[in-house]
Amino acid sequence: AQSVTQLGSHVSVSEGALVLLRCNYSSSVPPYLFWYVQYPNQGLQLLLKYTTGATLVKGINGFEAEFKKSETSFHLTKPSAHMSDAAEYFCAVSPSGTGRRALTFGSGTRLQVQP
Amino acid sequence: KAGVTQTPRYLIKTRGQQVTLSCSPISGHRSVSWYQQTPGQGLQFLFEYFSETQRNKGNFPGRFSGRQFSNSRSEMNVSTLELGDSALYLCASSLDGGQPQHFGDGTRLSIL
Repeated sequence: AQSVTQLGSHVSVSEGALVLLRCNYSSSVPPYLFWYVQYPNQGLQLLLKYTTGATLVKGINGFEAEFKKSETSFHLTKPSAHMSDAAEYFCAVSPSGTGRRALTFGSGTRLQVQP
Repeated sequence: KAGVTQTPRYLIKTRGQQVTLSCSPISGHRSVSWYQQTPGQGLQFLFEYFSETQRNKGNFPGRFSGRQFSNSRSEMNVSTLELGDSALYLCASSLDGGQPQHFGDGTRLSIL
């Protein structure tokens, strides 16, 4: 079974400050890892994904995440927050290399950006 | 290229009724998955359809069912609605069930 833990249901940063959203996963097999963003009254938009290869993954809107197998972590960062980054962020995992590809989501982190 | 389209966007039903939600995937995508999003339980996987066959199923009661048509469009049905079924229902499509999955904007279902 897989699970995802997102530390901090709410994170508040000032505009221009570093954004760090934490994600730890549990999986018996190497997983695929994802970050999604959800704006109010919208669906989920993929920010970035890790499947294989380079462990530092760059995504859209200046976000990046690093897969650390030893720490079972996949934290999301952005060097400088913008007001438009205010949204809810979800970390997700899916099994790799199998037919069962359903996503298991964390509980989400709501990012607030202060002017 | 058009994204995933879900209709309707909003629905209000009463307990005991049934409801059908629709999802049109991105053109060429053959896999459609459904997720339920609630404040209490978060995002939970309902089921996945691929080539008109249910290929994967989450831990939901039999009141939740779905189907997929030959054009890959999918419908989800919930019978005997309960207050706890109030949620945002999200549909996601992908080429073959792998990643990434592309999500629609969801159908918000409210049960009175």
